[in-house]
Amino acid sequence: EVQLVESGGGLVQPGGSLRLSCVASGFTFSSYWMNWVRQVPGKGLEWVSRIYIDGGRITYADSVKGRFTISRDNAKNTLYLQMNSLRAEDTAVYYCARDLGYCNSAVCSTWGQGTLVTVSS
Amino acid sequence: DIQMTQSPSSLSASVGDRVTISCRTSQSIDNYLHWYQQTPGKAPKLLIYATSNLQSGVPSRFSGSGSGTDFTLTISSLQPEDFASYYCQQGYSTPFTFGQGTRLDIK
Repeated sequence: EVQLVESGGGLVQPGGSLRLSCVASGFTFSSYWMNWVRQVPGKGLEWVSRIYIDGGRITYADSVKGRFTISRDNAKNTLYLQMNSLRAEDTAVYYCARDLGYCNSAVCSTWGQGTLVTVSS
Repeated sequence: DIQMTQSPSSLSASVGDRVTISCRTSQSIDNYLHWYQQTPGKAPKLLIYATSNLQSGVPSRFSGSGSGTDFTLTISSLQPEDFASYYCQQGYSTPFTFGQGTRLDIK
């Protein structure tokens, strides 16, 4: 069974840091683009970042560029999101999502259960 | 950035109804338009990718159409489990923006 399990969320003060992890199983992790998508509770979805299979190509939403860093460890089947200089507006449920593998289009075919990040003093 | 305009933002319908949700993009995205369903407290689920391709396991009452900048999700006969929120997303260029969502409620 294809599965993604996120961890690392929690309460952090403004200006603080947090690292999210997403462990993949049931598929060849090293063959897929991976994404982070977030959702403020009760609001819509926002794409955050995407990383190529070998980590060689990375893109970010403008709202997190320069503060967040996506990375992956294919040997550990794990995706990461290092979040620095956190702001109240970063409060959200963070999902990791696997690409479908359709052309080069970002299509999130498999999602984790999400991990809640709360930025508050 | 490509702007997404999804409509309506909410919709009330009955079991058995046919419903359509629209998504318009600010520039052409070829066919790289995808649709997701989300029920409360759950992660989104991919329904349709590349405008009209049904994801594996998704019932055939869901269909997608469109091209260029105008796209549509159609549910041919609503079932109780279809009452959820729906989002379109463009996978053409970064940032890969989502529509604002459509909440589908029981009438």
